[in-house]
Amino acid sequence: AQSVTQPDIHITVSEGASLELRCNYSYGATPYLFWYVQSPGQGLQLLLKYFSGDTLVQGIKGFEAEFKRSQSSFNLRKPSVHWSDAAEYFCAVGGTYNDMRFGAGTRLTVKP
Amino acid sequence: DAGVIQSPRHEVTEMGQEVTLRCKPISGHNSLFWYRQTMMRGLELLIYFNNNVPIDDSGMPEDRFSAKMPNASFSTLKIQPSEPRDSAVYFCASSFTGVWTDTQYFGPGTRLTVL
Repeated sequence: AQSVTQPDIHITVSEGASLELRCNYSYGATPYLFWYVQSPGQGLQLLLKYFSGDTLVQGIKGFEAEFKRSQSSFNLRKPSVHWSDAAEYFCAVGGTYNDMRFGAGTRLTVKP
Repeated sequence: DAGVIQSPRHEVTEMGQEVTLRCKPISGHNSLFWYRQTMMRGLELLIYFNNNVPIDDSGMPEDRFSAKMPNASFSTLKIQPSEPRDSAVYFCASSFTGVWTDTQYFGPGTRLTVL
Protein backbone atom coordinates (compact mmCIF):
# COMPACT_ATOMS: atom_id res chain seq x y z
CA ALA A 1 0.00 0.00 0.00
CA GLN A 2 1.17 3.50 -0.69
CA SER A 3 2.37 5.63 2.16
CA VAL A 4 4.20 8.85 2.75
CA THR A 5 6.50 9.72 5.63
CA GLN A 6 7.60 13.11 6.79
CA PRO A 7 10.32 12.30 9.32
CA ASP A 8 10.45 15.74 10.92
CA ILE A 9 7.45 16.76 12.97
CA HIS A 10 8.82 20.20 13.77
CA ILE A 11 11.69 22.22 12.31
CA THR A 12 13.00 25.59 13.41
CA VAL A 13 15.15 27.73 11.14
CA SER A 14 16.38 31.28 11.30
CA GLU A 15 15.03 33.81 8.88
CA GLY A 16 17.26 33.95 5.83
CA ALA A 17 18.57 30.44 6.33
CA SER A 18 18.01 27.64 3.86
CA LEU A 19 15.31 25.05 4.36
CA GLU A 20 14.86 21.42 3.43
CA LEU A 21 11.80 19.42 4.40
CA ARG A 22 11.98 15.69 3.91
CA CYS A 23 9.42 13.44 2.34
CA ASN A 24 9.76 9.73 1.68
CA TYR A 25 7.13 7.66 -0.04
CA SER A 26 6.23 4.10 -0.80
CA TYR A 27 4.35 3.47 -4.02
CA GLY A 28 4.15 0.61 -6.47
CA ALA A 29 4.56 2.71 -9.60
CA THR A 30 5.73 6.18 -10.43
CA PRO A 31 3.57 8.33 -8.20
CA TYR A 32 2.17 11.77 -8.48
CA LEU A 33 3.79 13.89 -5.77
CA PHE A 34 2.62 17.10 -4.16
CA TRP A 35 3.66 19.59 -1.53
CA TYR A 36 1.05 21.70 0.24
CA VAL A 37 1.36 24.45 2.83
CA GLN A 38 -1.20 25.18 5.52
CA SER A 39 -1.08 28.45 7.43
CA PRO A 40 -2.84 28.61 10.79
CA GLY A 41 -6.60 28.65 10.39
CA GLN A 42 -6.36 28.24 6.64
CA GLY A 43 -6.86 25.49 4.12
CA LEU A 44 -4.09 23.81 2.23
CA GLN A 45 -2.42 25.60 -0.65
CA LEU A 46 -0.57 23.73 -3.37
CA LEU A 47 3.10 24.69 -3.57
CA LEU A 48 4.15 22.37 -6.38
CA LYS A 49 3.53 19.00 -7.94
CA TYR A 50 5.46 16.40 -9.88
CA PHE A 51 4.05 14.00 -12.43
CA SER A 52 6.90 13.31 -14.84
CA GLY A 53 9.78 14.93 -16.66
CA ASP A 54 12.37 17.14 -15.04
CA THR A 55 12.93 15.86 -11.53
CA LEU A 56 13.52 19.35 -10.15
CA VAL A 57 10.19 21.11 -9.83
CA GLN A 58 9.71 24.80 -9.23
CA GLY A 59 6.75 26.00 -7.24
CA ILE A 60 5.25 29.13 -5.85
CA LYS A 61 6.75 31.33 -3.13
CA GLY A 62 10.29 30.39 -4.13
CA PHE A 63 10.00 26.71 -3.23
CA GLU A 64 11.39 23.82 -5.23
CA ALA A 65 11.39 20.07 -4.79
CA GLU A 66 13.47 17.28 -6.22
CA PHE A 67 12.17 13.83 -7.07
CA LYS A 68 14.73 11.11 -6.43
CA ARG A 69 13.40 7.76 -7.53
CA SER A 70 16.35 5.79 -6.13
CA GLN A 71 15.73 7.22 -2.68
CA SER A 72 11.92 7.34 -2.92
CA SER A 73 12.12 10.93 -1.82
CA PHE A 74 10.58 14.25 -2.77
CA ASN A 75 12.23 16.85 -0.54
CA LEU A 76 11.10 20.45 -0.47
CA ARG A 77 13.69 23.22 -0.43
CA LYS A 78 13.91 26.96 -0.19
CA PRO A 79 17.23 28.86 -0.31
CA SER A 80 16.21 31.66 2.06
CA VAL A 81 13.30 31.40 4.46
CA HIS A 82 11.06 34.35 5.26
CA TRP A 83 9.07 34.78 8.47
CA SER A 84 5.88 34.38 6.44
CA ASP A 85 6.90 30.81 5.56
CA ALA A 86 6.07 29.69 9.09
CA ALA A 87 3.31 27.13 8.56
CA GLU A 88 2.69 23.43 8.33
CA TYR A 89 3.85 21.61 5.23
CA PHE A 90 2.32 18.44 3.86
CA CYS A 91 3.72 16.04 1.32
CA ALA A 92 1.21 13.91 -0.60
CA VAL A 93 1.55 10.95 -2.95
CA GLY A 94 -0.88 9.04 -5.10
CA GLY A 95 -1.81 7.65 -8.45
CA THR A 96 -5.49 8.48 -8.51
CA TYR A 97 -7.77 10.78 -6.56
CA ASN A 98 -8.91 8.10 -4.19
CA ASP A 99 -5.55 6.65 -3.29
CA MET A 100 -3.82 9.87 -2.48
CA ARG A 101 -2.12 9.86 0.89
CA PHE A 102 -0.97 12.85 2.86
CA GLY A 103 1.96 12.85 5.24
CA ALA A 104 1.50 13.83 8.86
CA GLY A 105 3.00 17.23 8.19
CA THR A 106 6.06 19.20 9.27
CA ARG A 107 5.57 22.33 11.29
CA LEU A 108 8.02 25.08 10.39
CA THR A 109 8.95 27.77 12.89
CA VAL A 110 11.00 30.72 11.67
CA LYS A 111 13.21 32.53 14.19
CA PRO A 112 13.81 36.25 13.67
CA ASP B 1 -12.73 35.62 -6.65
CA ALA B 2 -13.43 35.00 -2.97
CA GLY B 3 -12.05 31.48 -3.06
CA VAL B 4 -13.76 28.47 -1.58
CA ILE B 5 -16.16 29.52 1.14
CA GLN B 6 -17.07 27.27 4.04
CA SER B 7 -19.55 27.82 6.83
CA PRO B 8 -19.64 27.74 9.70
CA ARG B 9 -15.97 28.17 10.59
CA HIS B 10 -16.52 26.64 14.00
CA GLU B 11 -19.26 24.35 15.21
CA VAL B 12 -19.74 22.97 18.68
CA THR B 13 -22.53 20.50 19.18
CA GLU B 14 -23.61 17.73 21.46
CA MET B 15 -23.48 14.06 20.67
CA GLY B 16 -26.56 12.92 18.80
CA GLN B 17 -27.26 16.24 17.14
CA GLU B 18 -27.36 16.76 13.42
CA VAL B 19 -24.55 18.82 11.92
CA THR B 20 -24.55 20.41 8.48
CA LEU B 21 -21.41 21.85 6.96
CA ARG B 22 -21.64 24.04 3.89
CA CYS B 23 -19.34 24.79 1.00
CA LYS B 24 -19.40 27.18 -1.92
CA PRO B 25 -16.77 26.26 -4.51
CA ILE B 26 -14.97 28.69 -6.74
CA SER B 27 -17.21 29.77 -9.60
CA GLY B 28 -16.52 27.78 -12.74
CA HIS B 29 -14.90 24.87 -10.97
CA ASN B 30 -16.31 21.49 -11.91
CA SER B 31 -14.97 19.29 -9.14
CA LEU B 32 -15.50 19.42 -5.42
CA PHE B 33 -13.84 17.43 -2.66
CA TRP B 34 -14.64 17.02 1.03
CA TYR B 35 -11.74 16.15 3.35
CA ARG B 36 -11.44 15.50 7.07
CA GLN B 37 -8.32 16.33 9.05
CA THR B 38 -7.54 14.84 12.46
CA MET B 39 -4.37 14.48 14.45
CA MET B 40 -4.65 10.72 14.44
CA ARG B 41 -5.48 10.09 10.80
CA GLY B 42 -4.21 13.20 9.06
CA LEU B 43 -6.04 14.43 5.97
CA GLU B 44 -8.52 12.01 4.43
CA LEU B 45 -10.68 12.32 1.33
CA LEU B 46 -14.32 11.73 2.16
CA ILE B 47 -16.11 12.28 -1.13
CA TYR B 48 -15.49 13.64 -4.60
CA PHE B 49 -18.06 15.31 -6.88
CA ASN B 50 -17.64 16.06 -10.57
CA ASN B 51 -20.24 18.21 -12.31
CA ASN B 52 -22.41 17.93 -9.19
CA VAL B 53 -22.43 14.12 -9.34
CA PRO B 54 -20.84 12.07 -6.56
CA ILE B 55 -18.06 10.09 -8.20
CA ASP B 56 -16.64 8.33 -5.19
CA ASP B 57 -17.90 8.30 -1.63
CA SER B 58 -15.82 5.37 -0.46
CA GLY B 59 -14.06 7.61 2.04
CA MET B 60 -17.25 8.46 3.88
CA PRO B 61 -16.75 6.77 7.24
CA GLU B 62 -20.26 5.42 7.74
CA ASP B 63 -23.92 5.91 7.02
CA ARG B 64 -24.14 8.76 9.48
CA PHE B 65 -22.32 10.86 6.91
CA SER B 66 -23.98 12.14 3.76
CA ALA B 67 -23.04 14.74 1.18
CA LYS B 68 -25.01 16.51 -1.50
CA MET B 69 -24.30 18.93 -4.28
CA PRO B 70 -27.64 20.23 -5.54
CA ASN B 71 -26.01 22.71 -7.90
CA ALA B 72 -22.62 23.87 -9.09
CA SER B 73 -22.29 26.50 -6.40
CA PHE B 74 -23.25 24.67 -3.24
CA SER B 75 -22.49 21.49 -1.36
CA THR B 76 -23.32 20.17 2.08
CA LEU B 77 -21.82 17.54 4.32
CA LYS B 78 -24.23 16.26 6.94
CA ILE B 79 -23.55 14.14 10.00
CA GLN B 80 -26.56 12.62 11.71
CA PRO B 81 -26.28 11.70 14.50
CA SER B 82 -22.95 13.22 15.42
CA GLU B 83 -20.48 11.48 17.74
CA PRO B 84 -17.43 12.77 19.64
CA ARG B 85 -15.11 10.87 17.28
CA ASP B 86 -16.39 13.06 14.43
CA SER B 87 -14.56 16.01 15.96
CA ALA B 88 -12.15 17.22 13.29
CA VAL B 89 -11.51 19.97 10.79
CA TYR B 90 -13.52 19.46 7.63
CA PHE B 91 -12.19 20.99 4.43
CA CYS B 92 -13.90 21.55 1.14
CA ALA B 93 -11.80 21.97 -1.99
CA SER B 94 -12.64 22.64 -5.61
CA SER B 95 -10.79 22.34 -8.88
CA PHE B 96 -11.42 23.55 -12.40
CA THR B 97 -11.56 20.26 -14.25
CA GLY B 98 -12.54 16.72 -13.53
CA VAL B 99 -8.92 15.65 -13.72
CA TRP B 100 -7.94 14.81 -10.19
CA THR B 101 -4.42 16.08 -10.60
CA ASP B 102 -5.68 19.56 -11.34
CA THR B 103 -4.84 22.04 -8.60
CA GLN B 104 -7.31 21.90 -5.76
CA TYR B 105 -8.18 25.09 -3.93
CA PHE B 106 -9.04 24.56 -0.31
CA GLY B 107 -11.44 26.47 1.86
CA PRO B 108 -10.48 27.59 5.37
CA GLY B 109 -12.20 24.59 6.94
CA THR B 110 -14.86 24.02 9.56
CA ARG B 111 -13.63 23.00 12.98
CA LEU B 112 -16.23 20.64 14.43
CA THR B 113 -16.32 19.75 18.09
CA VAL B 114 -18.81 17.14 19.24
CA LEU B 115 -19.21 17.00 23.01
